Amino acid sequence: GAGVSQSPSNKVTEKGKDVELRCDPISGHTALYWYRQSLGQGLEFLIYFQGNSAPDKSGLPSDRFSAERTGGSVSTLTIQRTQQEDSAVYLCASKTASGNYEQYFGPGTRLTVT
Amino acid sequence: GENVEQHPSTLSVQEGDSAVIKCTYSDSASNYFPWYKQELGKRPQLIIDIRSNVGEKKDQRIAVTLNKTAKHFSLHITETQPEDSAVYFCAASPGRDSWGKLQFGAGTQVVVTP
Repeated sequence: GAGVSQSPSNKVTEKGKDVELRCDPISGHTALYWYRQSLGQGLEFLIYFQGNSAPDKSGLPSDRFSAERTGGSVSTLTIQRTQQEDSAVYLCASKTASGNYEQYFGPGTRLTVT
Repeated sequence: GENVEQHPSTLSVQEGDSAVIKCTYSDSASNYFPWYKQELGKRPQLIIDIRSNVGEKKDQRIAVTLNKTAKHFSLHITETQPEDSAVYFCAASPGRDSWGKLQFGAGTQVVVTP
C-alpha cells in the first residue's frame, strides 16, 4: 500500500511569512509524529497525535509552531513568522495500533527560510 | 527527559570489515530501541529494533545488543558492503507504552570503501 506522503517536497519562503506543511499518514495508522532534521543533525521530536487524545506538544520549539490533525488522518504543521533557524527538513511518521512499535517515515519537506 | 548519545559521529571501514555504533540513553523507563538507516536525500528506514526484555537480536548481517543495566545499546554490521554507506541513527522511546515519541541520537555517517 501507499506509504506516508508529505507536501510540498520543497518550500522556500521569506523570513516572517507563515508556512503550512502537510502529512498524509498510512491509512489506518492512528499515531502521527512530526520531527525536524536540521542539516547534518539528528531528528528532533516536535509533536505527536494518538487517536482522539490530546497531542503531545512537548517538542515544539516555540509558540510559532502548531499542528493539527483533522479527522484522525491528515496533519498540518504550521510555522508562523518563519525565522532562518527554522530552515530544516520536516519529517512526518505514522504508526499503527499499540503493540507495533515501528514508525514509518515520509520523505520530508525541505523548508528554506531566506 | 530522555537523552540519547551516539558514537562515533563518522566511521570509515573497508568493505568486508565490521562496523560498530554505540548509543547510551538516560531514561531507565525507555523500552524500545530502533535503529534507522538514512541514505542521502532519502527518508529514514528502520533496519532493526529491540525491546527492553531482549538482550540481543540479529537479522542477517545486522545485530543489536542492549545492556539495560548500563543503559547502552549497540549496532553491529558484519561483512560490510558499499551499499551499507549511509547515516545510521539510534533512538529510544521513553515511557512504558508503545505510543511514545522517539528520542534520536545525532547519527553516525558510515562510509564503506571498496
